Amino acid sequence: EVQLVESGGGLVQAGRSLRLSCTTSGFAFGDYAMTWVRQAPGKGLEWIGFIRSKPYGGTPEYDPSVKGRFTISGDDSKNVAYLQMNGLKTEDTAMYYCARGSYASGSYYLDYWGRGTLVTVSS
Amino acid sequence: DIQMTQSPSSLSASVGDRVTITCRASQDISNYLAWFQQKPGKAPKSLIYAASSLQNGVPSKFSGSGSGTDFTLTISSLQPEDFAIYFCQQYNSYPFTFGPGTKVDIK
Repeated sequence: EVQLVESGGGLVQAGRSLRLSCTTSGFAFGDYAMTWVRQAPGKGLEWIGFIRSKPYGGTPEYDPSVKGRFTISGDDSKNVAYLQMNGLKTEDTAMYYCARGSYASGSYYLDYWGRGTLVTVSS
Repeated sequence: DIQMTQSPSSLSASVGDRVTITCRASQDISNYLAWFQQKPGKAPKSLIYAASSLQNGVPSKFSGSGSGTDFTLTISSLQPEDFAIYFCQQYNSYPFTFGPGTKVDIK
């Protein structure tokens, strides 16, 4: 059974850093892309970025709103994806989800999601 | 960036109704379009990818169609468990972007 479990969220002051983890099981981690999506309270879904699977270079892509502050990485030995968030702002307050990306026809579509971890940034 | 719009933003429907939600992209995205369902307090669930392919385990009452800029999600016979918010997402070009969502509630 495919499972993704996010952790590392919490209350943090603006300007500080936080690292979220997405611990996975039930599939070959290195064969899939890992994506981070966030949802501010009462709002819609926002794509943060993803890291390609190793066969396709293992490189990341980011939304411009977080590029330079957020870094996505993965540890194939632990089957874990990470979201390093630096210089946090109050507008980064959201539920953060990781999702698995499956490759097809030149791109990645999301298939499985974790339950999310809540990040609250205080001023 | 590619902008995604959805219509309607919300709708009220009865159990057994056929429901159609529209998603429009600001430029051609071929068939790189996915649909998700989200219930209150829960994570999104993937329903459809490549505009019309059902994810594993998704019932056949859900169907998707379209290509280019215009897409639809149809629920053939609405059931109580289908009341939720539905989002579309384009994954044709970075940054991948979501639509604002369509809330389906009980009439």
